Parts: sequence; C-alpha cells; structure tokens
Amino acid sequence: GAVVSQHPSRVICKSGTSVKIECRSLDFQATTMFWYRQFPKQSLMLMATSNEGSKATYEQGVEKDKFLINHASLTLSTLTVTSAHPEDSSFYICSATWRSSYNSPLHFGNGTRLTVT
Amino acid sequence: KNQVEQSPQSLIILEGKNCTLQCNYTVSPFSNLRWYKQDTGRGPVSLTIMTFSENTKSNGRYTATLDADTKQSSLHITASQLSDSASYICVVSAGEYGNKLVFGAGTILRVKS
Repeated sequence: GAVVSQHPSRVICKSGTSVKIECRSLDFQATTMFWYRQFPKQSLMLMATSNEGSKATYEQGVEKDKFLINHASLTLSTLTVTSAHPEDSSFYICSATWRSSYNSPLHFGNGTRLTVT
Repeated sequence: KNQVEQSPQSLIILEGKNCTLQCNYTVSPFSNLRWYKQDTGRGPVSLTIMTFSENTKSNGRYTATLDADTKQSSLHITASQLSDSASYICVVSAGEYGNKLVFGAGTILRVKS
C-alpha cells in the first residue's frame, strides 16, 4: 500500500531555533499534501494544504511566516517551524494524496513529536 | 457550520466483545466519509471510505455504515482485540471537490483482557 514517510519522528530544540520536518510519499506522486498539528487527546487540526509547485493555503489562525511550507516536488513537502517557542510543542502530522478524484485515498505519515525547551 | 461529532468520547470494553462507535455530521455538500484508526503517537490509518451512495463497507472486523439522509455513520468492531485499543477518527470530506476535510474529535477505545 501507499506509504508516507515523515522525518524526524521526534525532535527537541531550544526556544528561538528553527526546525524542519519532512514528509515524503514513497510510492506515489502526491499532488496535494496536508499538514496538521495535534494536541494531547485532541483530534487533528488542519494547518495548511499544499499543492505541488504552488503556495500553501493556510487555515485561519495559522501564521504562514511561522510555519513555512514547501512542496517543491511530487514526493516531498517540508514544514519549517521558525523561531520555535514552547507553545509550538505538539505532534505534527502530514498526509498526502493524488488528487485525481475526491475519493482518492489519504495517507498519513507517522507524525513528528516536537518539544521546544 | 461544518461539524463532525463523535460519540462516545471514550469507551472501555472487554476483549472479544463487540462495540459500535457513532459519527454524526452536518457537512454540506457532502463528498465522502472516512474512518481512521490512530494508535498513540502514530499517524492515522485508513479503515474505510464511503460515498453518499454506499450504506455499508467492511474491512476485516471493522464495518462502517452510512445513512446520508440522517447524516449518521457508525463503525462496528467485531470480536475486539487488545490491538484495537486506539483513537478512532471520523473524517467527512466537504465541498464540491471534496477538498475540505472536517475531522471529528475521535473516540478513544480501550480493550482490556
């Protein structure tokens, strides 16, 4: 089955530094990738939608200058948390699909646990 | 406002028993409804996806139903196993192209021996 790989699985960084998270589709071309964050015991919150080769569309309340998303190829999207602060500590998850149909499967990565100290 | 509500919020059952999780939605226009299983600290894994014309879909011991008229879905787990302990998330795709995903808060299921 389709696989989405997310890296790193865990990262600890100091306040003020930037962290980059990668999301790769290993066996399909992902025309669209989504980024979410998830707080403990809560469901996923969509942060942004990125289509290959174009700028990401951010959800209301998500700072695009803080959460930089790049989707330069059909197999790779990156999320960079800039100038991270402790309140950015969360579980970040990506998902990917090939948007040939609205019923296209949506495959998730295994998430990245970010801890900002 | 597009919303997906799941119940119960959490559930504890004995191994081998069956259980049913509920998902009610107010999403328009409706494209499809998906059930995902999310283990702690992992990404969600797809169980089923149904369009408005499908009433039921099975995946092993998981059976999902959909009533598009009442805007309700259920996920039935048969002969539960310890490995079924997870969060089960209902996701409804909205919009003309199904590109607006609305997530439920999930039901946390714990199966104990």
